[in-house]
This record gives sequence, C-alpha cells and structure tokens, in this order.
Amino acid sequence: SQQGEEDPQALSIQEGENATMNCSYKTSINNLQWYRQNSGRGLVHLILIRSNEREKHSGRLRVTLDTSKKSSSLLITASRAADTASYFCAVQGAQKLVFGQGTRLTINP
Amino acid sequence: SQTIHQWPATLVQPVGSPLSLECTVEGTSNPNLYWYRQAAGRGLQLLFYSVGIGQISSEVPQNLSASRPQDRQFILSSKKLLLSDSGFYLCAWSNRIGTGSRPQHFGDGTRLSIL
Repeated sequence: SQQGEEDPQALSIQEGENATMNCSYKTSINNLQWYRQNSGRGLVHLILIRSNEREKHSGRLRVTLDTSKKSSSLLITASRAADTASYFCAVQGAQKLVFGQGTRLTINP
Repeated sequence: SQTIHQWPATLVQPVGSPLSLECTVEGTSNPNLYWYRQAAGRGLQLLFYSVGIGQISSEVPQNLSASRPQDRQFILSSKKLLLSDSGFYLCAWSNRIGTGSRPQHFGDGTRLSIL
C-alpha cells in the first residue's frame, strides 16, 4: 500500500512554538501532499512536493521530502491558536490520493 | 473561481432507508471527482472516483454506489443503508487536463448517522 502514516498521532504545543509532523510511506510516489482539516470540515490543500523536490516553503510551512527514506515532514513555525487542526499527508498515485490517519495538532494559548 | 458544494451537511437516516448525497462543482470543466468516507478521528477512505460522465471506479466493495449524470455532478447512493454506513462523507475534485500532480479540493462534507 502507498498509504502515508503520520507521526505523532497527536501533538500539543504552546502558541509560538514550532510544530513538526512526520509522514512515512511504502512505495514510489509521484508527489506527496499535505492537507489540513478543521473539526467537522472538509480538507484544505496546504502544499504539494514532487518526488524530485527535497524542500518546499509556503508562508510558515516548510515541507521536506526524503525519497530514499520514503518520508516527509511538515514544519509549522511560530504556531498560532488558529493552527489547531488535523493534518494529513497523502501520496499521489496515477489517479488517486492515498491519505494517512492524520496528526491532531493542538496549539495552547 | 472554482467552488464545490455538498449537501446536506448532516443527515440522520434509519437502517434500511435509501440514501442520496449530491456534490456539484462550479467554475471548472472535466474534473476528476471523488467520494471519500472518514471514520471518527481517522483518515480518508476512497470510495469512488470518476474521470468523466458515466465513468465510475469503485475502490472498495460496499453497500454504496456512485453516479455521474453530468460533468460536474457526482451522486452517492444506497438502496438500503446499514449501520456501518455511518460516517463523514467528503466529495472532492481535481483538475484532469494534463498529467502530473493534481491537488484535490474538498467540500465541507456530510455527517451521516444511521439509527
């Protein structure tokens, strides 16, 4: 299975700290994507990193990809209370995305 | 700009009743369309995807079916709901033109409770 597996399952930090979430997968991929989900809502696409890229930035987000280790990390810097949400990685196959189980991030004020 | 609409937002249905959830996309043509189910606190399970009108691929054997009667309309149905059909159902679309990487864009979901 290509399924991404996030680690940790839950993360609780203080506002202003950095949050790091990790994702591992099992097979070759075209790209890896990160999504955010607020409670009871749909997912929102955050960032996409292609298999030939090693690092990508978007605002306070930094994503790395290590295809040799089949792993990716999402770093959120200077966290805010509004960053509280679940974060999912998803690996892209030919037509489909395969999602992991997610990391539940809580930012404490 | 592109938008995706899902309805209803919540639905409570008795076991054995039929189901119809609708999803429509605006502002794009020929999208790929997807139905997912999410159990509480878990990731997304792909149920169906469609690359064109009348073209449906089923990912898991189940009590549900999907149809795409129009280019930007995707419907999830069941003739008789089971307790195990409870969950959070999400519709999504992605661009189909060209190859390569395609982010998906999600609706706000339907919370389905079976009693």
